[in-house]
Amino acid sequence: DQQVKQNSPSLSVQEGRISILNCDYTNSMFDYFLWYKKYPAEGPTFLISISSIKDKNEDGRFTVFLNKSAKHLSLHIVPSQPGDSAVYFCAAIVGNQFYFGTGTSLTVIP
Amino acid sequence: NAGVTQTPKFRILKIGQSMTLQCAQDMNHNYMYWYRQDPGMGLKLIYYSVGAGITDKGEVPNGYNVSRSTTEDFPLRLELAAPSQTSVYFCASSYSGTPNYGYTFGSGTRLTVV
Repeated sequence: DQQVKQNSPSLSVQEGRISILNCDYTNSMFDYFLWYKKYPAEGPTFLISISSIKDKNEDGRFTVFLNKSAKHLSLHIVPSQPGDSAVYFCAAIVGNQFYFGTGTSLTVIP
Repeated sequence: NAGVTQTPKFRILKIGQSMTLQCAQDMNHNYMYWYRQDPGMGLKLIYYSVGAGITDKGEVPNGYNVSRSTTEDFPLRLELAAPSQTSVYFCASSYSGTPNYGYTFGSGTRLTVV
């Protein structure tokens, strides 16, 4: 049972434009959400997180939005850069347990 | 500052063989985790540890064992390798249960069972 879903396996965006990566979840008990970035042959690296009591968190070019009523979060990257090309995983936490989505492969076209 | 170190990076095992995937962190993190990532799937938690001497099962623990005798090391043991255990394995650690710090991941071990 996939509690965290990323329904778009891939996304292509022009350099300089906005990238929007989406994530849906089913468990209303999740209390934190995170985004990770993964390059090939490397482990995921932490990008940004948001508490379930907030609806927005911003860190430089990265902003995460949380819509609890829709059980939906999104990651916005503005402006997108070629170095942002990677697989992005969303994750949700309840207690000590992390649940990861299946990932979205972002390609930023120069 | 090595972070989380996993060895080996690649391994091919025959069915029924056993092996230990090593994981070490030098950040004095209390929490350590083992995940596997299968193609097209998210990361699935195998086992985790909240401190030396304490381990707990995650979502997919069958076929694996762990131990945590020190804060730094968290090895994952496969006793009787099966083709279903072909996967990429990631070890991770975190400073505490406070989730907004996120994890630090190792670079992964790609295991193939033939």
